[in-house]
Amino acid sequence: DGGITQSPKYLFRKEGQNVTLSCEQNLNHDAMYWYRQDPGQGLRLIYYSQIVNDFQKGDIAEGYSVSREKKESFPLTVTSAQKNPTAFYLCASSERLWGNEQFFGPGTRLTVL
Amino acid sequence: DAKTTQPNSMESNEEEPVHLPCNHSTISGTDYIHWYRQLPSQGPEYVIHGLTSNVNNRMASLAIAEDRKSSTLILHRATLRDAAVYYCILARTSYDKVIFGPGTSLSVIP
Repeated sequence: DGGITQSPKYLFRKEGQNVTLSCEQNLNHDAMYWYRQDPGQGLRLIYYSQIVNDFQKGDIAEGYSVSREKKESFPLTVTSAQKNPTAFYLCASSERLWGNEQFFGPGTRLTVL
Repeated sequence: DAKTTQPNSMESNEEEPVHLPCNHSTISGTDYIHWYRQLPSQGPEYVIHGLTSNVNNRMASLAIAEDRKSSTLILHRATLRDAAVYYCILARTSYDKVIFGPGTSLSVIP
């Protein structure tokens, strides 16, 4: 079945450590996105990528980094510079950038202790 | 920036129609109107989208005002599985800013 996967579902890290969240899609989509969601809030865009080897900052990119070396993969690194990293992180993909349906993964809940 | 405004919460009785409103008075001519819904602890799920004309699919209908400054998501017969947060967003083909606001939390009463 085609879809988008994120791993792990739950992640715990100590303060000051970098952590990388995985996102993989087998939908052959060009565009991929990372969002952050805090309790009771909407989604905020962290980074997005229109195509392989290209990515752009979203609204809250500070303290995060991404790479897009393969079409299927768009990992997100939460660095120690991110002041409040505890959140629910959602990855999405779409056939092309904006304008049509985004498919979301199940999310990774990151807790920094 | 184009943004949307939705009520924080709504209630519906099971098996009755639900009309979820969304205001987007600063919409531009190329903005698509998208609706997603999110169940607790899950990623959002696409519901429907449109540009100018009303749209129907197996999940819902989207009614877009003639001036495109508002739209309404219509669930024809609410079920308990429709209880979720519903997001109305404007998606631009040329990126400016995507606003994914707090949405409308829909409760369905048995």
